Amino acid sequence: GEDVEQSLFLSVREGDSSVINCTYTDSSSTYLYWYKQEPGAGLQLLTYIFSNMDMKQDQRLTVLLNKKDKHLSLRIADTQTGDSAIYFCAESMDTTNAGKSTFGDGTTLTVKP
Amino acid sequence: DTGVSQDPRHKITKRGQNVTFRCDPISEHNRLYWYRQTLGQGPEFLTYFQNEAQLEKSRLLSDRFSAERPKGSFSTLEIQRTEQGDSAMYLCASSLAGQLEAFFGQGTRLTVV
Repeated sequence: GEDVEQSLFLSVREGDSSVINCTYTDSSSTYLYWYKQEPGAGLQLLTYIFSNMDMKQDQRLTVLLNKKDKHLSLRIADTQTGDSAIYFCAESMDTTNAGKSTFGDGTTLTVKP
Repeated sequence: DTGVSQDPRHKITKRGQNVTFRCDPISEHNRLYWYRQTLGQGPEFLTYFQNEAQLEKSRLLSDRFSAERPKGSFSTLEIQRTEQGDSAMYLCASSLAGQLEAFFGQGTRLTVV
């Protein structure tokens, strides 16, 4: 997506932390999402953060939001081989319409044993 | 609850033919979305319905594309006179109005030869 940018690839060793970064351009974005897509599968929502939050933690996942720089990151602690997938950052400006989002082009995470 | 299901999973068609895809959302969900995802890119919003009403269409949805949700349950996406550029994964998602999470199906992969 032209309004949401991500680095294309990330490779880590099993047990390390992974950090996937995303930048977005629209300052009116209200919700920011992270989705996971495994081969041949649809998108699975991992977590989301409101634009008035700085951080959200959910088990092994930590989302950091720097609203000033329009920068979002997803940290996966203790990365496992099952975490290998494409991760999409998405933004939504419509507080009542979660399904209408603008997606980045995805970061392919490869976890090496 | 079987989640969002899409049919068929794969479709190969000759250029110029018409194709129709079906999406069955989660039963109580009143919103239904169609996205297109080309290789190496993130999903791009096409259109969405609230119940049977089509509330928004992206400029990506050319005149050859039409979507319906006649009874507010399942939806169909038809592409007329397919072109090679229509080759993509077509994703459907559903949600409840006002909720923050949308659930995606596994998609229909269209190949136009």
